[in-house]
Amino acid sequence: DAEITQSPRHKITETGRQVTLACHQTWNHNNMFWYRQDLGHGLRLIHYSYGVQDTNKGEVSDGYSVSRSNTEDLPLTLESAASSQTSVYFCASSDGGGPPSTDTQYFGPGTRLTVL
Amino acid sequence: RKEVEQDPGPFNVPEGATVAFNCTYSNSASQSFFWYRQDCRKEPKLLMSVYSSGNEDGRFTAQLNRASQYISLLIRDSKLSDSATYLCVVNVKAAGNKLTFGGGTRVLVKP
Repeated sequence: DAEITQSPRHKITETGRQVTLACHQTWNHNNMFWYRQDLGHGLRLIHYSYGVQDTNKGEVSDGYSVSRSNTEDLPLTLESAASSQTSVYFCASSDGGGPPSTDTQYFGPGTRLTVL
Repeated sequence: RKEVEQDPGPFNVPEGATVAFNCTYSNSASQSFFWYRQDCRKEPKLLMSVYSSGNEDGRFTAQLNRASQYISLLIRDSKLSDSATYLCVVNVKAAGNKLTFGGGTRVLVKP
């Protein structure tokens, strides 16, 4: 079955280190998204991509970067991890081939990141 | 003001009862509306889309009121398994088809 996976599922790192979170989907979806979820803020969009070589900033993109070299993967990199980036990170994908009302996003299981 | 606002709850619901809650959105250009369900420490999953005329999916009924800019979700005959956080989600086409999520409404169904 097609799916979307994230790795690692849990990560503890230190302030200042570079961290990369992986996201891989096998639906051949054009659109991929990275969110972070924190208490009191809900899900906030970090970066998104509508296809290979396309990347866009979301509402909380500072300190994060993404690259899209193929359809299946959108890795999220924290250039220099900060304690404020401790959060749960969700990757999502959608087909993007139809009208917005049918553009359901499918989420990965999440990565719980702690920055000490 | 947040783009999508929800009562965080929790709504404590006796098993078998009906519960309803709303979500308000601020952007009148919003075009698509959804309810997602999120279980504790799990990823969000689509519960149902919300159509202009209102729609049902089993025990779940969603309504859209464009004039007052809110959507609602009603759960009938609540089951223990309905305990979850329900996320209101709005799509603004002019914003590049990105989804904006509300903070979620927590529902606890008790025996």
